[in-house]
Amino acid sequence: AQKVTQAQTEISVVEKEDVTLDCVYETRDTTYYLFWYKQPPSGELVFLIRRNSFDEQNEISGRYSWNFQKSTSSFNFTITASQVVDSAVYFCALSVGSAGNNRKLIWGLGTSLAVNP
Amino acid sequence: DTGVSQNPRHKITKRGQNVTFRCDPISEHNRLYWYRQTLGQGPEFLTYFQNEAQLEKSRLLSDRFSAERPKGSFSTLEIQRTEQGDSAMYLCASSLSQGSEKLFFGSGTQLSVL
Repeated sequence: AQKVTQAQTEISVVEKEDVTLDCVYETRDTTYYLFWYKQPPSGELVFLIRRNSFDEQNEISGRYSWNFQKSTSSFNFTITASQVVDSAVYFCALSVGSAGNNRKLIWGLGTSLAVNP
Repeated sequence: DTGVSQNPRHKITKRGQNVTFRCDPISEHNRLYWYRQTLGQGPEFLTYFQNEAQLEKSRLLSDRFSAERPKGSFSTLEIQRTEQGDSAMYLCASSLSQGSEKLFFGSGTQLSVL
């Protein structure tokens, strides 16, 4: 069975704090893709990152960084020096299979991040 | 590239009425997806198109739901005889047909069935 767990339902931080959003996934497939999407109050889901199962290299994009660890089946997302504009719901998602398929995206329940001034 | 456009943004209807939503994907994207999202949940897959062909429908999609993409460009999602349980955000997304390419989402249509 495939599953994505985002244990943190809500997180509240003060601006400039660092914050890590956890994502744990379950799959028996050896080939899969992991995603993070951001959903701001406007409602539009915004793609942040895609990582395939063979690439465990961590990635940094500005204030965002992702830590992919197959040993713990985790794909955590860290925002450094958070800003009010980072306030949103963040979703982790899993797509299985070698070709992958967006219809089979398995979504976590999301983590609602509030960054307070 | 103007992004994925969905209309209307909000729709309020009475139970039993039919509603239709429209999605205009990014022009060069040949895959188009419909998802449904309720509060506190992630998006739930409904159906998707490769150009004008509807390749899959979720088993969760009842016969009251129908989607079309007649010319492989915009798509419509119709719900007949709406029920209160249909109240949700209906999201459209598009992508290039390369497997697990990233999805570009519209802002959604919020449906409220009274």
